[in-house]
Amino acid sequence: GENVEQHPSTLSVQEGDSAVIKCTYSDSASNYFPWYKQELGKRPQLIIDIRSNVGEKKDQRIAVTLNKTAKHFSLHITETQPEDSAVYFCAASKNSGYSTLTFGKGTMLLVSP
Amino acid sequence: DAGVTQSPTHLIKTRGQQVTLRCSPKSGHDTVSWYQQALGQGPQFIFQYYEEEERQRGNFPDRFSGHQFPNYSSELNVNALLLGDSALYLCASSFRGSGANVLTFGAGSRLTVL
Repeated sequence: GENVEQHPSTLSVQEGDSAVIKCTYSDSASNYFPWYKQELGKRPQLIIDIRSNVGEKKDQRIAVTLNKTAKHFSLHITETQPEDSAVYFCAASKNSGYSTLTFGKGTMLLVSP
Repeated sequence: DAGVTQSPTHLIKTRGQQVTLRCSPKSGHDTVSWYQQALGQGPQFIFQYYEEEERQRGNFPDRFSGHQFPNYSSELNVNALLLGDSALYLCASSFRGSGANVLTFGAGSRLTVL
């Protein structure tokens, strides 16, 4: 089955800096890669996703890049703010049948004022 | 739209007991997936229901079972509880016709097994 590795496990940055979280996946058939943000005690919320026919996608201060050849994808957050502090999860799935999301173990992002 | 709702929010059980968790999917969604999230870990897939049948199952023992009702709501049952079953149980719904696993999560049911 699919295996998703995520790093770093913890990332501390100063407000205004950029943050990058990286994930690798094992199943070359995977073609959907979402990122979820989970604040303490709250539900995971989808913040951005990318499909395999696209190499990069941006939404204001966040962007995701995908390298299908290397089987890795990354989340980029620019101009970080304290409210960006949360745990971020990457995930991967195929887009066929009854496919399911396989999650990474998460990255705790701490943004200091 | 209330989104995905789960009940109960918190519960405490003792080893050997049984528990039932409930989930109502987001309006318009027809597929329900259940995940177990241990402290400090990512969500682990338990199983997925569509059209009242289990369609996919993760690496969980038969003590974990589920059901989906005609109104798309779902239950997760865990028998013979172990200490290691303590976790946040997340329900996520999606619309199969969207062609991708765009999941909407509920707030979860936090289970503590003593």
